[in-house]
Amino acid sequence: EDQVTQSPEALRLQEGESSSLNCSYTVSGLRGLFWYRQDPGKGPEFLFTLYSAGEEKEKERLKATLTKKESFLHITAPKPEDSATYLCAVQTGGSYIPTFGRGTSLIVHP
Amino acid sequence: EAGVTQFPSHSVIEKGQTVTLRCDPISGHDNLYWYRRVMGKEIKFLLHFVKESKQDESGMPNNRFLAERTGGTYSTLKVQPAELEDSGVYFCASSQEETGERFFGQGTRLTVV
Repeated sequence: EDQVTQSPEALRLQEGESSSLNCSYTVSGLRGLFWYRQDPGKGPEFLFTLYSAGEEKEKERLKATLTKKESFLHITAPKPEDSATYLCAVQTGGSYIPTFGRGTSLIVHP
Repeated sequence: EAGVTQFPSHSVIEKGQTVTLRCDPISGHDNLYWYRRVMGKEIKFLLHFVKESKQDESGMPNNRFLAERTGGTYSTLKVQPAELEDSGVYFCASSQEETGERFFGQGTRLTVV
């Protein structure tokens, strides 16, 4: 069974304190890995799709990387507005249906 | 461009009652998905429409759940009769392509008491 594990469950940072979120997966035939941001009371908002090991994508203070077993979401010099839950989802070759992790709740203090 | 909209945003019903959730996808998106997140757990897939046809309903918990998408536009998800374990946040998403980026609605928080 496909599994997606995100760590840590919760992370508190000071503004400007860079860190990384982890998404590890055990799936057969990765087709794509997705990162979403979710704010309270809202639906997930798409951030990135990664397709193959070694791929990297950036958007403002966020950078996503992918290896054969995990993905990292690096947050450089975060700001309070980066506070949100970050979700990872994987899509395998056998199915287009993404399997989600439980997310990492990030709080950035000013 | 309007995003995916869901109605209602919150619903509190008693066990045994019926509730109908509605989702309006982004105009032109043939693919429409329903997901559910039970408290403390991950978002789980329920089903997928391509236009008005059910492409995949493997995630539907049981026959108390009925989804429809008449005319290939908006979709409804009916729970009848509702049970306590049906409580959670129900998300709808749409996409142009099956493998493409999914745009999510804000969700409907369902509480069964």
